[in-house]
Amino acid sequence: AQSVTQLGSHVSVSEGALVLLRCNYSSSVPPYLFWYVQYPNQGLQLLLKYTSAATLVKGINGFEAEFKKSETSFHLTKPSAHMSDAAEYFCAVSVRGNKLVFGAGTILRVKS
Amino acid sequence: KAGVTQTPRYLIKTRGQQVTLSCSPISGHRSVSWYQQTPGQGLQFLFEYFSETQRNKGNFPGRFSGRQFSNSRSEMNVSTLELGDSALYLCASSSPGGDYNEQFFGPGTRLTVL
Repeated sequence: AQSVTQLGSHVSVSEGALVLLRCNYSSSVPPYLFWYVQYPNQGLQLLLKYTSAATLVKGINGFEAEFKKSETSFHLTKPSAHMSDAAEYFCAVSVRGNKLVFGAGTILRVKS
Repeated sequence: KAGVTQTPRYLIKTRGQQVTLSCSPISGHRSVSWYQQTPGQGLQFLFEYFSETQRNKGNFPGRFSGRQFSNSRSEMNVSTLELGDSALYLCASSSPGGDYNEQFFGPGTRLTVL
């Protein structure tokens, strides 16, 4: 069975600082991996996805993630945080069809 | 293109009642998936419908059911509501083809069970 672990339920960074949100996955077969963002009272928006092409994936809003098979990781980064990045971020894995297995989420706080 | 729409956005029910939530996918999308989001359990997959057939199912009791119509609109029903069913229910749609298709999420229906 697939699973996702997000390290840190809350992450706080200063505006302009590096954002690093950690995600480790468990899958017996090559996975598809995703990062979603959720703003208050809204649904989920896809930031980026890994589907076995390039291991460094660039997404929207300046985010990117690197798939590291040896570490079973798919950490999300952004060089410089903006106030508008404050939200909850979810890492997810999919192996079969459209069923997504989500991590517990990380709330990102950006301090001015 | 209009996004995924869910109705109603907010709903209050009492224990023992039943509820039906509706999801209209993006035009041309034939797959609709449902997820439950709670503070305690996080985001959990309920089921997926494709061309009016349930294609995938999560680990929820039989009180949770769904269906899809010929126009790809989907409904989910929860019978005999329990307090623990209070959650944000998210619907996602995707177009067919390939091993994986990007899922587009609606804003959700927030269900409160009193």
